Amino acid sequence: GQNIDQPTEMTATEGAIVQINCTYQTSGFNGLFWYQQHAGEAPTFLSYNVLDGLEEKGRFSSFLSRSKGYSYLLLKELQMKDSASYLCAVREPSGTYKYIFGTGTRLKVLA
Amino acid sequence: DSGVTQTPKHLITATGQRVTLRCSPRSGDLSVYWYQQSLDQGLQFLIQYYNGEERAKGNILERFSAQQFPDLHSELNLSSLELGDSALYFCASSVGSGSNYEQYFGPGTRLTVT
Repeated sequence: GQNIDQPTEMTATEGAIVQINCTYQTSGFNGLFWYQQHAGEAPTFLSYNVLDGLEEKGRFSSFLSRSKGYSYLLLKELQMKDSASYLCAVREPSGTYKYIFGTGTRLKVLA
Repeated sequence: DSGVTQTPKHLITATGQRVTLRCSPRSGDLSVYWYQQSLDQGLQFLIQYYNGEERAKGNILERFSAQQFPDLHSELNLSSLELGDSALYFCASSVGSGSNYEQYFGPGTRLTVT
């Protein structure tokens, strides 16, 4: 079956580091994506991983292990504006090429 | 502002009706994607078009259809509407059709079916 699991909610303190995990079970794999979505707004692209390893982009990094069906998004030097939902998504490589999204992790950053 | 425009912003209609949602991609983008986001189901991928051709298909209901026109704008048609179709519908666009192209989301159309 197809399934993507993320924690529902996380809380962290301003200035800290937080890691949001995502595990997936899909029929195939053609890339993993992380999106940020503030309440009432559209998702915005954060990262894309297709090979194993770490991709770093400023305060945000994303890691992928295809053999383990596992990814994480690392947010450093947390700011209040990072309070948002973080969506993990996987694209299937063949057949329908569809995107499968997790239900998202709601992150609250506290002062 | 992502450069993707969607109209209308809000739509309220009754069960059994038909509506059309419109999306204009960013200048230069050839791919358009449609998503549905409801409170209980999260973000669901519906369909992708690339330069007028259907490229990828998600769990789009048979009551829903979409197309991309020669000027690259896209329309999502929802018919025989049910209460459960109430959701936020997002359109996104990207330059290419592959996974490595970043998708830019429009502000969404909020559909309420009463």
